[in-house]
Amino acid sequence: SAVISQKPSRDICQRGTSLTIQCQVDSQVTMMFWYRQQPGQSLTLIATANQGSEATYESGFVIDKFPISRPNLTFSTLTVSNMSPEDSSIYLCSVLPDEQFFGPGTRLTVL
Amino acid sequence: AQSVTQPDIHITVSEGASLELRCNYSYGATPYLFWYVQSPGQGLQLLLKYFSGDTLVQGIKGFEAEFKRSQSSFNLRKPSVHWSDAAEYFCAVASGGYQKVTFGTGTKLQVIP
Repeated sequence: SAVISQKPSRDICQRGTSLTIQCQVDSQVTMMFWYRQQPGQSLTLIATANQGSEATYESGFVIDKFPISRPNLTFSTLTVSNMSPEDSSIYLCSVLPDEQFFGPGTRLTVL
Repeated sequence: AQSVTQPDIHITVSEGASLELRCNYSYGATPYLFWYVQSPGQGLQLLLKYFSGDTLVQGIKGFEAEFKRSQSSFNLRKPSVHWSDAAEYFCAVASGGYQKVTFGTGTKLQVIP
């Protein structure tokens, strides 16, 4: 199994600012995923981040808005840029050693 | 494109009663299927998964699910619900190689004494 931690666990931000969310895994993994869960909604995949290559974004998500870094096999960051209230969500990191494990999430509120 | 439908948004059952949560999927090949549970303020926890083989899958916390290809379904069941089972349940399907997981909209389970 994989143990995933995320920082921060929650934050309240002002419109127009940016927030970087960190995801740390206790083992080396090839594939890392970032999901968004808007209030009362299901999870939506934002992008897939593989170490050593550019992140692959899903339809409706762009790199300028959600830049992702993957500097090594145990760490990734997701930045939510130029935030608006519509970005208020839970952001979850997920990894794939042999099955998908999810981090506890980062609850973001944008005022 | 793969998709998952959970037709029940909210279900209420009495403690000790049986439970069945419905899930229908759409995928061209043999799917990888999952059920996750999300308790209030908690992360997602995998209950069980189906890749191949026996179509009746046993999971944690006394849950099981049955894969029925003819009905494109993967319903979750539990014979006797406990108050601690109150949570939101998500069905999910993955493409080959487990690279992209698509989640259903979730079913919120309420357990009454």
